[in-house]
Amino acid sequence: NAGVMQNPRHLVRRRGQEARLRCSPMKGHSHVYWYRQLPEEGLKFMVYLQKENIIDESGMPKERFSAEFPKEGPSILRIQQVVRGDSAAYFCASSKTENTEAFFGQGTRLTVV
Amino acid sequence: AQTVTQSQPEMSVQEAETVTLSCTYDTSESDYYLFWYKQPPSRQMILVIRQEAYKQQNATENRFSVNFQKAAKSFSLKISDSQLGDAAMYFCAYYGSNYKLTFGKGTLLTVNP
Repeated sequence: NAGVMQNPRHLVRRRGQEARLRCSPMKGHSHVYWYRQLPEEGLKFMVYLQKENIIDESGMPKERFSAEFPKEGPSILRIQQVVRGDSAAYFCASSKTENTEAFFGQGTRLTVV
Repeated sequence: AQTVTQSQPEMSVQEAETVTLSCTYDTSESDYYLFWYKQPPSRQMILVIRQEAYKQQNATENRFSVNFQKAAKSFSLKISDSQLGDAAMYFCAYYGSNYKLTFGKGTLLTVNP
C-alpha cells in the first residue's frame, strides 16, 4: 500500500540542462497534481492531469515547463534549460477522483547550480 | 481567484499548552473544503484536519480542532496539549470547484520543552 512516490528526492542540474521529475501516484489514483514550493513560501499549483490528459495547466510557466501522465508509467514534470530560479521543491499529489482527498509525495528538491 | 492568508509567520508554544493558528480566505463559492497541512523538516506534507464548508460542526482530530467561521471566512487551527513532535510548518489550504489546492504562506510553529 505504497503512498505517492516521487523520484529523485534530490536533483542537481547545471543551468541549461534538463530536469525530469517523476511521480507514481497511489494505486487506484488517476488524478495527479504538481505543486512548486519556493523557499519560505507555501505550495503553488502548477498542473492537474488525468491519465493522458492535461486538465488544468494554469499554474505552469509558459515556457520550458511541460507535464505528462501517460496511460502507463509515472507522471513526468519536465523542465528544459533550467535556470537558478527553478530551484525549488516540487511536490506531486494524487487522488482517486477530483473530489477525494489528495495525498502528497515527499517532493523532489531541485537545485540549479 | 481564491486567496488564503496566514497572518502569523511564526508562533511558539510551551509543551503541553494550547496554541491557535489563524487562517482567513477569500472566495465567492459556497461549497468548498478547507485543510490544515503539517510540513515537518522532512518536507512531507501531512494532512492534519479537513473541514467541509457545508458542515456547521467544527472538525476535530484528537488534539487538533478547528474553529470554522464561514461568514467571516476564518479557519483557525487549535492544537491542545502541544507536543515536541508538533513542531513544524503549518499550511492552511482551500479546495474549491477548480480542483486545486490554494495554500497560505505558512506558520512556523516552535514547541518549547
